[in-house]
Amino acid sequence: SQQGEEDPQALSIQEGENATMNCSYKTSINNLQWYRQNSGRGLVHLILIRSNEREKHSGRLRVTLDTSKKSSSLLITASRAADTASYFCATDARDDKIIFGKGTRLHILP
Amino acid sequence: NAGVTQTPKFQVLKTGQSMTLQCAQDMNHNSMYWYRQDPGMGLRLIYYSASEGTTDKGEVPNGYNVSRLNKREFSLRLESAAPSQTSVYFCASTVGRVQSYGYTFGSGTRLTVV
Repeated sequence: SQQGEEDPQALSIQEGENATMNCSYKTSINNLQWYRQNSGRGLVHLILIRSNEREKHSGRLRVTLDTSKKSSSLLITASRAADTASYFCATDARDDKIIFGKGTRLHILP
Repeated sequence: NAGVTQTPKFQVLKTGQSMTLQCAQDMNHNSMYWYRQDPGMGLRLIYYSASEGTTDKGEVPNGYNVSRLNKREFSLRLESAAPSQTSVYFCASTVGRVQSYGYTFGSGTRLTVV
């Protein structure tokens, strides 16, 4: 089964800076999703990008998808303390399921 | 509040004890899922229910049973808990195909088996 793999595993940046994390996957997909998980909480769906889309925005979030490279990136602009969380990509799997990567831990420094 | 509600939030069990984790959603979603999250392992699917009246095994079903009680409720039962089942358990739901709509997750149950 394929799996999205996030990079880097951990990232620390100063508040106000932009944060970029990447997701690579192995086989063709129809959709790719990004989720956020704050410490001790459940995952929250952030954005879904379809294979025929190259870029999608939601507030301070920008997601890109490059199907030729089998990769996606999540950019968080003007980071805030509340953005401290783990971020997961999820890619299509067989039998109408999705598979989560192991996540990027983002820490926003004051 | 609309969403997915899980109970309890925390539980400590002794090896061999049984318990049921409860999950309910009020969004009229058709499909419901149980995941476990372990450090370094990511989220792994235990069981799912594509619609009321159906349940299917996921990636790691051994040691668990489920019941889709009605459209709203999907419970996970550990018949004889083992230390390897120490984990954080998440229930999730989706209105249609998860690949097209994504999940709504509950806040989790942190289970420790001693």
